[in-house]
Amino acid sequence: DTGVSQDPRHKITKRGQNVTFRCDPISEHNRLYWYRQTLGQGPEFLTYFQNEAQLEKSRLLSDRFSAERPKGSFSTLEIQRTEQGDSAMYLCASSRGGVLYEQYFGPGTRLTVT
Amino acid sequence: AQTVTQSQPEMSVQEAETVTLSCTYDTSESDYYLFWYKQPPSRQMILVIRQEAYKQQNATENRFSVNFQKAAKSFSLKISDSQLGDAAMYFCAYRDGYGNKLVFGAGTILRVKS
Repeated sequence: DTGVSQDPRHKITKRGQNVTFRCDPISEHNRLYWYRQTLGQGPEFLTYFQNEAQLEKSRLLSDRFSAERPKGSFSTLEIQRTEQGDSAMYLCASSRGGVLYEQYFGPGTRLTVT
Repeated sequence: AQTVTQSQPEMSVQEAETVTLSCTYDTSESDYYLFWYKQPPSRQMILVIRQEAYKQQNATENRFSVNFQKAAKSFSLKISDSQLGDAAMYFCAYRDGYGNKLVFGAGTILRVKS
């Protein structure tokens, strides 16, 4: 069990640029979640996948955001035309399916939009 | 929509003493789960303790225990024999009975004094 990994750990970009983050879940986990955490706040749910299917999207996930999990393994989160308000920590979590299983979090990708 | 409220932005405790972190939540569901997560500075979030709403017995994990008051929708975390390593941001979180997204509170920073 190598844990959830995220890449990159830090990203600085200029407003208007596109960025893409990657999350590798724990290998046997079929559920994958994305959350956004702004400074001093708790994480907010963005979206989640069961295998390759994206089953729920938050209203926070504007049209500029897109997430994929093409083969039910790793996932990517892309933000197009970044804005300063997108600056946050983007957390990925994974779990087995079902209510009994906890979510394991990755270290996060900290995005700074200048 | 479910909400989670942590009314204590920051708490301090002397090493070896006991501290209680407060959390209230709002839901119309009868089947749900409650969690306390710990997020040390610059490190990933880890699960401290969980409580199933259908269980009347309060959960305990070593020095960590909860006081779950379902009617009052209150879910506090007690840390006994506090250690320096307990210093972190603590988040209370709710998950419905379908096992999907977590809803987090704003967090409580716990400082441990030696």
